[in-house]
Amino acid sequence: RKEVEQDPGPFNVPEGATVAFNCTYSNSASQSFFWYRQDCRKEPKLLMSVYSSGNEDGRFTAQLNRASQYISLLIRDSKLSDSATYLCVVNEANQAGTALIFGKGTTLSVSS
Amino acid sequence: DVKVTQSSRYLVKRTGEKVFLECVQDMDHENMFWYRQDPGLGLRLIYFSYDVKMKEKGDIPEGYSVSREKKERFSLILESASTNQTSMYLCASRQQRNSPLHFGNGTRLTVT
Repeated sequence: RKEVEQDPGPFNVPEGATVAFNCTYSNSASQSFFWYRQDCRKEPKLLMSVYSSGNEDGRFTAQLNRASQYISLLIRDSKLSDSATYLCVVNEANQAGTALIFGKGTTLSVSS
Repeated sequence: DVKVTQSSRYLVKRTGEKVFLECVQDMDHENMFWYRQDPGLGLRLIYFSYDVKMKEKGDIPEGYSVSREKKERFSLILESASTNQTSMYLCASRQQRNSPLHFGNGTRLTVT
């Protein structure tokens, strides 16, 4: 069984801090990668797709390292509203098409 | 914006009842998915469908069936509900194999 591993945390940081999460995957044939944010008792929502060249959206930066098989999410200038669980998702090829493999999530708590 | 709608936010059913969970998406997506999410276990794939009238078993299909008679609608059926099917059920859709998933807002099912 192919796996996606995340440090569950919790990561407890003060407002304004920079925090980074890593996610490792085991299938080198994985094709696409995403970060989702999930608030308590809510559905996951797409935060960012992760591209080979790395990509940035405001305070959020996502990177992909295919050689070492991990993706990362960097959050700068943390806000209280960033408190949530962050899910890493890897899309890998299989005989039926592709399979989406979810990490179990990393919990972030930002405090004032 | 993609909209994925699940018919109920909260549902309480008795053991042995037949339960229908409905999901509708409005973006003409071909791929649709049903997951359940439980604390400590993450998201687990129950069934998915790549197109109308097509269905594939996911990781935990036992005790469930699905129906995809129209492209926009994907139904999850619990043939005879049991207490271990108490969970958060999440429907999702995507445009194509490397696209991100878009989730409905979930159905929290309690089986007593």
